[in-house]
Amino acid sequence: QQPVQSPQAVILREGEDAVINCSSSKALYSVHWYRQKHGEAPVFLMILLKGGEQKGHDKISASFNEKKQQSSLYLTASQLSYSGTYFCGTERANFGNEKLTFGTGTRLTIIP
Amino acid sequence: EPEVTQTPSHQVTQMGQEVILRCVPISNHLYFYWYRQILGQKVEFLVSFYNNEISEKSEIFDDQFSVERPDGSNFTLKIRSTKLEDSAMYFCASKRDRGEEKLFFGSGTQLSVL
Repeated sequence: QQPVQSPQAVILREGEDAVINCSSSKALYSVHWYRQKHGEAPVFLMILLKGGEQKGHDKISASFNEKKQQSSLYLTASQLSYSGTYFCGTERANFGNEKLTFGTGTRLTIIP
Repeated sequence: EPEVTQTPSHQVTQMGQEVILRCVPISNHLYFYWYRQILGQKVEFLVSFYNNEISEKSEIFDDQFSVERPDGSNFTLKIRSTKLEDSAMYFCASKRDRGEEKLFFGSGTQLSVL
């Protein structure tokens, strides 16, 4: 079953912050975040493993609440380059061939 | 950074024709995947492949689909008799090992079935 993302779409002015949420009804081993520009392949942002960790680089960070099976992606002081569709991908187990199941996507538009 | 390479970038075919989409995963990667994305929709899992056999396949991956790794470098997706609803962007992906490993995606093949 696919994870559910919210919001579906958001429009921000440059410099504003955004939070994108990803929820699963199943227990998760990990959450991956990807950004996809129109017509391009998804680009990896970060992985979070169960254990409630938080990660970040530059002005993009994420958290993973294992108990709630939820992850949130935080974009602070957004830049024009952040525009795109953000997908979370979830893994239910730590098997090598475990597939990533992608969420419904959140379209982020940054305007000057 | 190493890349997953997909060819062709665009493929146009008539309904009922066979198509083969080609991928060259990163050389030391062990796990291979095909995903597809219908325009404007989410990325959907098709099949995973490890140790020269299919690990898992989705409901989409019916008898019309097959995968092969014929020579240790190429990884192909074949659609035997294409349907209009097979029109989508097809992404190949690979990863090196289990655990905390990111998926590397190719740039995709846009398949249009007329």
